[in-house]
Amino acid sequence: NAGVTQTPKFQVLKTGQSMTLQCAQDMNHEYMSWYRQDPGMGLRLIHYSVGAGITDQGEVPNGYNVSRSTTEDFPLRLLSAAPSQTSVYFCASSYSIELGRETQYFGPGTRLLVL
Amino acid sequence: AQSVSQHNHHVILSEAASLELGCNYSYGGTVNLFWYVQYPGQHLQLLLKYFSGDPLVKGIKGFEAEFIKSKFSFNLRKPSVQWSDTAEYFCAVNPSGTYKYIFGTGTRLKVLA
Repeated sequence: NAGVTQTPKFQVLKTGQSMTLQCAQDMNHEYMSWYRQDPGMGLRLIHYSVGAGITDQGEVPNGYNVSRSTTEDFPLRLLSAAPSQTSVYFCASSYSIELGRETQYFGPGTRLLVL
Repeated sequence: AQSVSQHNHHVILSEAASLELGCNYSYGGTVNLFWYVQYPGQHLQLLLKYFSGDPLVKGIKGFEAEFIKSKFSFNLRKPSVQWSDTAEYFCAVNPSGTYKYIFGTGTRLKVLA
């Protein structure tokens, strides 16, 4: 198993540009989520999905869109990048969320710099 | 709003010293609790978790944590740290019935050889 993969590893954007961060998992996990990690703020939940076709907002969803057309993929779209979105983005997945007891498996992260 | 507090932001210890990292959460209901670790250049990975039963849970690499419900705490401990424990440690909470995990701000641990 490749686990959770993310692409790209690093990206530089100009303000106003759009891009998609890719996330894929090959573990047949139902639950997938996106976090951003900023110094002194830990990981903050952006969006999550409990299964194909089902997504919802987390703590900091503004400026981001997601979709879940397949179980494996959960892309994160930045609609119009802003310097405040400079961060490290992590994708995570777990088998289910029903009981909230499952281990989350994290991807390697994407470092995004918005100029 | 639900939150998780990790009061120690940076900790520096010598090898063989004992470690205790604090974690407190604000949620009155049932919770599932986690500690994750991020070693330099590596993915976040699970250290241990608690959801019911014995409030003292043991994880990988000699770590343990104790859930004290009355104090809304889930502190991480290790009797004797090693240089290889240098990492960032995150406490996380899943309030039962929600589809969200709430992470603390993290504690950077540096162990001096």
